[in-house]
Amino acid sequence: GEKVEQHESTLSVREGDSAVINCTYTDTASSYFPWYKQEAGKSLHFVIDIRSNVDRKQSQRLIVLLDKKAKRFSLHITATQPEDSAIYFCAASRQTGNTGKLIFGLGTTLQVQP
Amino acid sequence: GPKVLQIPSHQIIDMGQMVTLNCDPVSNHLYFYWYKQILGQQMEFLVNFYNGKVMEKSKLFKDQFSVERPDGSYFTLKIQPTALEDSAVYFCASQGQGAETLYFGSGTRLTVL
Repeated sequence: GEKVEQHESTLSVREGDSAVINCTYTDTASSYFPWYKQEAGKSLHFVIDIRSNVDRKQSQRLIVLLDKKAKRFSLHITATQPEDSAIYFCAASRQTGNTGKLIFGLGTTLQVQP
Repeated sequence: GPKVLQIPSHQIIDMGQMVTLNCDPVSNHLYFYWYKQILGQQMEFLVNFYNGKVMEKSKLFKDQFSVERPDGSYFTLKIQPTALEDSAVYFCASQGQGAETLYFGSGTRLTVL
């Protein structure tokens, strides 16, 4: 079946540095790529997404890059803060809108050291 | 922000028993989902539900599984009878009309003995 691979299972950075989490996908029909964050004991929380009609999107300290040719997308967190520490999940979906059938990666545990 | 509540957070039952997992979605949302995560594996899509009907289900959504949302109350996942391989964390999510963002609950950890 279709897969999303999340390349870093854990990532540790110093406060103020950038963190990059990389994902690849197999389904060439994927067109929607959201990222979710899960803090300890809490639910998944949407952070940012990108659609296949663009290759870059930024929201404050978060940047998502999409390389459709390589079937790769990445989350860049700049100027990291301790509260960025969490598990980050990438996902891919064939359609936008009310589908919700996301294929998730395994998650990356990000630790930001003060 | 909007919250999805899942009740209970943990459930332990004996194999063969019935279990119902409850989800209280975001109040004006119309699309509902269940995902299953076995320990150490990806979270996987089970089913989506809209207007009283299952819209799509995966091969993980076995015949023993059913979903419903009677009278706009909880969105439920029922497993009857349960099997050992049903042990997992089940996440509920809801979504607004025309929106893409899914709002997830914290999950229910189901242990089948």
